[in-house]
Amino acid sequence: KNEVEQSPQNLTAQEGEFITINCSYSVGISALHWLQQHPGGGIVSLFMLSSGKKKHGRLIATINIQEKHSSLHITASHPRDSAVYICAVPYNNNDMRFGAGTRLTVKP
Amino acid sequence: DAGVIQSPRHEVTEMGQEVTLRCKPISGHNSLFWYRQTMMRGLELLIYFNNNVPIDDSGMPEDRFSAKMPNASFSTLKIQPSEPRDSAVYFCASSRSRPAGGEQFFGPGTRLTVL
Repeated sequence: KNEVEQSPQNLTAQEGEFITINCSYSVGISALHWLQQHPGGGIVSLFMLSSGKKKHGRLIATINIQEKHSSLHITASHPRDSAVYICAVPYNNNDMRFGAGTRLTVKP
Repeated sequence: DAGVIQSPRHEVTEMGQEVTLRCKPISGHNSLFWYRQTMMRGLELLIYFNNNVPIDDSGMPEDRFSAKMPNASFSTLKIQPSEPRDSAVYFCASSRSRPAGGEQFFGPGTRLTVL
């Protein structure tokens, strides 16, 4: 079983829709990262969170440490949000385990 | 700041050749990470340095891979000899702290193709 599971694997939405991407993990952690990888390949760190909720513009990330689950939400989605979103979990303080990614396509 | 700088951006080489990938982390960051991304396996951590010292290299696939960080502003990842299965995008990232502690900033990646 993969230690970091993301769902859905692929997601297509219409512009303006509310998007939710989920991440579940099986290892004990103190923080979780959400990354965004654009079609050009570049990776950007969106959030690092250890509890509660963080908001940056139209992006909201939540985490429930007890349930080992995190969600990434995008409000008022836009075609420029089209990217692969990756959940990453630090493991044993030094290692990082990654989800397989969620490929989001937002159509105009 | 220019962000994390990687070179080359693209590398095409023949099987058996030595490949050296380079990374310049963001100034002031004391942690540096090398990742590999393939279609089959996604993103994988290869090695992690803290204050120029390799902390965890358990992700390095085999002895053909080696990484060094001679100073705080430069790191290399070397593959010798290279094999077609090494074809991947290699990312370098830096952070102010360990993986559990801080946001990581990624370089643009080096796309390696081994023929």
